[in-house]
Amino acid sequence: QSVLTQPPSASGTPGQRVTISCSGSSSNIGSNTVNWYQQVPGTAPKLLIYSSNQRPSGVPDRFSGSKSGTSASLAISGLQSEDEADYYCASWDDSLNGRIFGGGTKVTVL
Amino acid sequence: QVQLQESGPGLVKPSETLSLTCTVSGGSMSSYYWNWIRQSPGKGLEWLGYIYYRGSTKLNPSLKSRVTISIDTSRTQVSLKLTSVTAADTAVYFCAREVASPGSWYFDSWGQGTLVTVSS
Repeated sequence: QSVLTQPPSASGTPGQRVTISCSGSSSNIGSNTVNWYQQVPGTAPKLLIYSSNQRPSGVPDRFSGSKSGTSASLAISGLQSEDEADYYCASWDDSLNGRIFGGGTKVTVL
Repeated sequence: QVQLQESGPGLVKPSETLSLTCTVSGGSMSSYYWNWIRQSPGKGLEWLGYIYYRGSTKLNPSLKSRVTISIDTSRTQVSLKLTSVTAADTAVYFCAREVASPGSWYFDSWGQGTLVTVSS
């Protein structure tokens, strides 16, 4: 069971907005930044968002991140078929003294 | 563009030691942290640990007694050793480059991953 809690699945139709939550605690999200990764099955994860709300160059602005208190969110606006993938949040945990990942959310484009 | 490539045996017997190498090309190892992350079949990501290019390490406390990470900057390689493996260690193992600055860290480059199966 992951320290960071994500819903196992989310879905939407093309063009819709989908939001994925990542719930943690004061020892991780509450005091550290959050990164988001996209993983198409069979491939390596790809960085989507870092420092809670920063997009690396090359990542479409359809992807956005936010953080409030001990939770973070990833929003995908204008959902496209190529967004169908698994999404993971990641942070540092001060109590565990290590990097941690959420359990992942599978996004399906209906 | 930096590239990372994992290599090593795809099959390891229970109780033996898993050894993997990550070869870095197209970029310097300096000023980065080099991580190992694994993913059991159908499961999520698990961070194993990192090594700074100067040699200091931080390991996942739950695996600390079994994990060793080392670096050879002259050969641009990072190595992982995991002792006393069991079937629960069957996973795809990724190496990843980490960019870190005060208050910020992230994995910006990943290897393609290598599947290691623990079985007799």
